[in-house]
Amino acid sequence: DIQMTQSPSSLSASVGDRVTITCQASQDISHYLNWYQLKPGKAPKLLIYDASNLETGVPSRFSGSGSRTDFTFTISSLQPEDVATYYCQRYDNLPLTFGGGTKVEIK
Amino acid sequence: QITLKESGPTLVKPTQTLTLTCTFSGFSLNTRSVGVGWIRQPPGKALEWLALIYWNDDKRYSPSLNSRLTIAKDTSKSQVVLTMTNMDPVDTATYYCAHFRPNYYYMDVWGKGTTVTVSS
Repeated sequence: DIQMTQSPSSLSASVGDRVTITCQASQDISHYLNWYQLKPGKAPKLLIYDASNLETGVPSRFSGSGSRTDFTFTISSLQPEDVATYYCQRYDNLPLTFGGGTKVEIK
Repeated sequence: QITLKESGPTLVKPTQTLTLTCTFSGFSLNTRSVGVGWIRQPPGKALEWLALIYWNDDKRYSPSLNSRLTIAKDTSKSQVVLTMTNMDPVDTATYYCAHFRPNYYYMDVWGKGTTVTVSS
């Protein structure tokens, strides 16, 4: 299976800071990568699909980039409601695999 | 508006079989290219994809759990059922069902999940 390595595993930043999370695939997955937001007790939310496309209704401070094996997820200006765990997920083929997650907290 | 809701036991004993039901609305599993899948998250661990069923009854499973999983649909009830046999404490997790974006291998709408604890 293709492995997804996500870093960092956690981060703490101030409101208004730029936050960056990376995800590396063990093989070329082209642009077949998504980013999800998980909050306790809530349904996981799709934020970015196809590596860089913003899902409808998602604030524009969220963005994604990258291709092949290296991908980046960015929150341009961290807000209190962005406290969550974020996961990358490859979908070039089955079985689907996820990164290890990044827990984002407010400093 | 697509919604999904998971239901099932909160506690199962080791070696028992777990049966989870996903009840959905806002779409039909009779519609071409539609799929519903299951994903879980053990406490403090990452997400893990389990299974997927399509409108045409095509079923796919995680290779590591294939022998223990069965997924089925009941289109008349708008439900998808996942069974997992021989439960173990390591299967303790929050189990999510999700709608798959047509023609893609990814989940665009998820349920809130249901927590299952495996303990004697």
